[in-house]
Amino acid sequence: ILNVEQSPQSLHVQEGDSTNFTCSFPSSNFYALHWYRWETAKSPEALFVMTLNGDEKKKGRISATLNTKEGYSYLYIKGSQPEDSATYLCALRRIDGSTLGRLYFGRGTQLTVWP
Amino acid sequence: GAGVSQSPSNKVTEKGKDVELRCDPISGHTALYWYRQSLGQGLEFLIYFQGNSAPDKSGLPSDRFSAERTGGSVSTLTIQRTQQEDSAVYLCASSPLMDTIYFGEGSWLTVV
Repeated sequence: ILNVEQSPQSLHVQEGDSTNFTCSFPSSNFYALHWYRWETAKSPEALFVMTLNGDEKKKGRISATLNTKEGYSYLYIKGSQPEDSATYLCALRRIDGSTLGRLYFGRGTQLTVWP
Repeated sequence: GAGVSQSPSNKVTEKGKDVELRCDPISGHTALYWYRQSLGQGLEFLIYFQGNSAPDKSGLPSDRFSAERTGGSVSTLTIQRTQQEDSAVYLCASSPLMDTIYFGEGSWLTVV
């Protein structure tokens, strides 16, 4: 069983606070690390796909970093807003033998931003 | 539409009945996934189709679950003799070969 771990499981912050979450994964056979945002009653929406060690991606107030050698990625939200409230999922894609395999999802970090 | 389409969006069924859930992926996407999320749980992988390769069925929880993908496009997930623990939202997603995956809005299944 391949474990993609996310922490914390849940987080409650005040509007305007900055926050970050962690995704850790086995570093062997790495291909790509995905981040998704999942709002209640909607479908998960892709935020980032990162493939290179040291990659940094940014989308508005949200950014992510990747360390493939030690097997972790951080997601940062600067100046959280209530509309950022969602579950943030990371997912790992590995090289699976001679093919690129499926995405392995973590259990997510549930973020609640209070006004 | 341009997105992944799933039907039905909601299904209530009696324990022991069979159900079929349908997924229409984005045109041209070679990969198709089924996941489910039960109440309070994370995303659980069910099955992965990639082009003409044999599907990865390693996530199917029992032999009551099966899925097929016809013509490399539409997929049907079938659950036979449904049980209450099958209640969940079933999410389909598709992607180009190795890129971002795009999710449908899910089929909410309730077994009573």
